[in-house]
Amino acid sequence: AQSVAQPEDQVNVAEGNPLTVKCTYSVSGNPYLFWYVQYPNRGLQFLLKYITGDNLVKGSYGFEAEFNKSQTSFHLKKPSALVSDSALYFCAVRDHLLRHMDTGRRALTFGSGTRLQVQP
Amino acid sequence: DGGITQSPKYLFRKEGQNVTLSCEQNLNHDAMYWYRQDPGQGLRLIYYSQIVNDFQKGDIAEGYSVSREKKESFPLTVTSAQKNPTAFYLCASSTDRGTGELFFGEGSRLTVL
Repeated sequence: AQSVAQPEDQVNVAEGNPLTVKCTYSVSGNPYLFWYVQYPNRGLQFLLKYITGDNLVKGSYGFEAEFNKSQTSFHLKKPSALVSDSALYFCAVRDHLLRHMDTGRRALTFGSGTRLQVQP
Repeated sequence: DGGITQSPKYLFRKEGQNVTLSCEQNLNHDAMYWYRQDPGQGLRLIYYSQIVNDFQKGDIAEGYSVSREKKESFPLTVTSAQKNPTAFYLCASSTDRGTGELFFGEGSRLTVL
């Protein structure tokens, strides 16, 4: 089974300060990890993904995420937050082993989401 | 521009009526998915399809049905058997590679009165 946890329902940060949105995962094999952002009444927009290689992944809008295998984490970060970053953020995982065990199941499993509020 | 189109964006229905949500993609993706989003619960998988004329149940398929007669289209029917259908429904597609990210439509908000 694959699962992902986002321990914080909401994160508050002042504009210009660094931000971190936490994500931990559980898989049987190696993880494929993704971050998405959602604005009100809109679909999800892809930010970045980790498949293999460098543990620090850079994505859209200045976001980056660090893969930590020993802590099974994939936290989203940004050095300087903007008010426009305020949105709902989702972490997602896919277990690479599912490709072989169950070729029909390549859907992502999503966390419950973290609302980021950036104050001016 | 390539993308995923969901319609309608807002839908109101009376209890006991079936409704069908449309999802069309022109990304030439083999895989398509339907997720349901409720406040505080993230996204839950309803149905997915890896190829035309084939689809599989996700985690919460009861009360829903789908078809995949064309590569571009993956409509979702919310039947009267779905006990709590009011939600935000998201359609997505991806390449068939396990490393591919999902591309989402703008969603359909269904409210049952």
